[in-house]
Amino acid sequence: NAGVTQTPKFRVLKTGQSMTLLCAQDMNHEYMYWYRQDPGMGLRLIHYSVGEGTTAKGEVPDGYNVSRLKKQNFLLGLESAAPSQTSVYFCASSYDDRSSYEQYFGPGTRLTVT
Amino acid sequence: EDKVVQSPLSLVVHEGDTVTLNCSYEVTNFRSLLWYKQEKKAPTFLFMLTSSGIEKKSGRLSSILDKKELSSILNITATQTGDSAIYLCAVFSGTYKYIFGTGTRLKVLA
Repeated sequence: NAGVTQTPKFRVLKTGQSMTLLCAQDMNHEYMYWYRQDPGMGLRLIHYSVGEGTTAKGEVPDGYNVSRLKKQNFLLGLESAAPSQTSVYFCASSYDDRSSYEQYFGPGTRLTVT
Repeated sequence: EDKVVQSPLSLVVHEGDTVTLNCSYEVTNFRSLLWYKQEKKAPTFLFMLTSSGIEKKSGRLSSILDKKELSSILNITATQTGDSAIYLCAVFSGTYKYIFGTGTRLKVLA
């Protein structure tokens, strides 16, 4: 099992450019999440999904969009990158909230917007 | 507003020392408390504590949940340089909601 994987690992964007971060999990998890981690802020939830074809906003969704067309994949898009989106992005997945609460995290994507 | 506060923010100890990391929370719907270790990359799961499982132990690491005080501690005995990491505490309050603390950065010197 690869667990949770993320691509790319690093990326530098210019302000206004767009990109998509890909998250994939092979554990048949229903729930998937996108977080950003900034110094002194902890992990903050951007968007999440409770199953294939469903997405919802988290704590800091502005400037991001997501899609979950297949159960194993969760994509995070930045339509017009801004320097405030410089951060480390983590994808996570979990079983549903009735059976297990543990989240499994991907290795992260370090994004710099100049 | 739900929040999770960890202390201390950072800690430097020598190998062999024992450390105690603290996590306090204020959430409207507590389901469980989770501890993670984050080295250079992804947070990795250590423990989950619930109302029915308030104490966990694995090797040199142990954790206790105090539901009355709305807090938890993570103890590491006989620390090693490999314990150097950021330790994250999170409270799960249902469906998608995990509230994370900012973490405690532990550095263990040889």
